[in-house]
Amino acid sequence: GESVGLHLPTLSVQEGDNSIINCAYSNSASDYFIWYKQESGKGPQFIIDIRSNMDKRQGQRVTVLLNKTVKHLSLQIAATQPGDSAVYFCAELTGNQFYFGTGTSLTVIP
Amino acid sequence: KAGVTQTPRYLIKTRGQQVTLSCSPISGHRSVSWYQQTPGQGLQFLFEYFSETQRNKGNFPGRFSGRQFSNSRSEMNVSTLELGDSALYLCASSSIGGGYEQYFGPGTRLTVT
Repeated sequence: GESVGLHLPTLSVQEGDNSIINCAYSNSASDYFIWYKQESGKGPQFIIDIRSNMDKRQGQRVTVLLNKTVKHLSLQIAATQPGDSAVYFCAELTGNQFYFGTGTSLTVIP
Repeated sequence: KAGVTQTPRYLIKTRGQQVTLSCSPISGHRSVSWYQQTPGQGLQFLFEYFSETQRNKGNFPGRFSGRQFSNSRSEMNVSTLELGDSALYLCASSSIGGGYEQYFGPGTRLTVT
């Protein structure tokens, strides 16, 4: 998994399997989190967000889990498809500024 | 609706020069934020403009500046370029600002030699 400001880990999954991408954040006062997807040559694309008063939020094929006790955020992608191959990174809102992780590179193996 | 556009897409400059990058937000969006993305540091916030006023600023030196026009288009300028300024510069537009509901452009890849 990634931490805000550290190296870029990689994750390879078989098509059809579920993917779990992790993010450790540093500031316990952060109250809003976003997951972004960035494909090669493109800007980041919003996937899903979650506020600190929630511990789970679901979207279409994606679920974000927030564990404030250990300051951990995860993104689960169900039935991963080749089009999901990209870099995924989390962002945390602290005060009035967002801080971004460096990302996890997800490769889907057909 | 057209997305966020950035020009130019690629740029090569030499140390000491200056550069101006342009961003056109989604129609109706009044907030434009600029970010620098590098492999080592990830995505870092530069500044945000909302209705022509700089509303928030990250921790970058004064060589990095920006402005926003009345039509919400924004430019960022980097003076006295350094090798370490080589990066992908992204802008994002939003109707409400503050980093919420941002739509990113494709970025401008700046290479400083």
